[in-house]
Amino acid sequence: EAGVAQSPRYKIIEKRQSVAFWCNPISGHATLYWYQQILGQGPKLLIQFQNNGVVDDSQLPKDRFSAERLKGVDSTLKIQPAKLEDSAVYLCASSPGLQNEQFFGPGTRLTVL
Amino acid sequence: LAKTTQPISMDSYEGQEVNITCSHNNIATNDYITWYQQFPSQGPRFIIQGYKTKVTNEVASLFIPADRKSSTLSLPRVSLSDTAVYYCLVGGPNTGFQKLVFGTGTRLLVSP
Repeated sequence: EAGVAQSPRYKIIEKRQSVAFWCNPISGHATLYWYQQILGQGPKLLIQFQNNGVVDDSQLPKDRFSAERLKGVDSTLKIQPAKLEDSAVYLCASSPGLQNEQFFGPGTRLTVL
Repeated sequence: LAKTTQPISMDSYEGQEVNITCSHNNIATNDYITWYQQFPSQGPRFIIQGYKTKVTNEVASLFIPADRKSSTLSLPRVSLSDTAVYYCLVGGPNTGFQKLVFGTGTRLLVSP
């Protein structure tokens, strides 16, 4: 079974630039999550989708971050404009539904200069 | 959401049993306890989940006392490849079953 796919794996941008990350969840998984993991910390949930609807985006900095999950499959997370403190690994995870086990992708490491 | 407290780091040697304890004093009645493992440059990976007493799978055991205010992840006979960060999370249907809060985790270092 294929895992969660993310791209790109690495991205370096300058502050105030824009960036987008892509996630392809495991086939059939209804729930998709985006996490931000700053070096030395645990992952922090940014947004959760159930199919193509947002379940929780309470920790998403909506002035600069946006995410969508069109057709309830792939998802993109965008940052515009980026700040230095956005440097982190952005993890995408999926789960079949109302279960506790989440399957994580390898993440995208973002460096903002 | 219930907050968890874990040791920041632990050291062990190959072949030893490692026990990582997690404190979750405010665990709710419907909350489950879940442990994830994370290697460098990878996303977390589910290890084990339990509600009460003891759960065992091919990787680890999870011990939960009757009051459920703590839990212990037990890794039998660790190897170098068990060096990773281990996260304890608490959540359930009433607290957003899928909304799990990761703390800073326990960094386990296994030496030869």
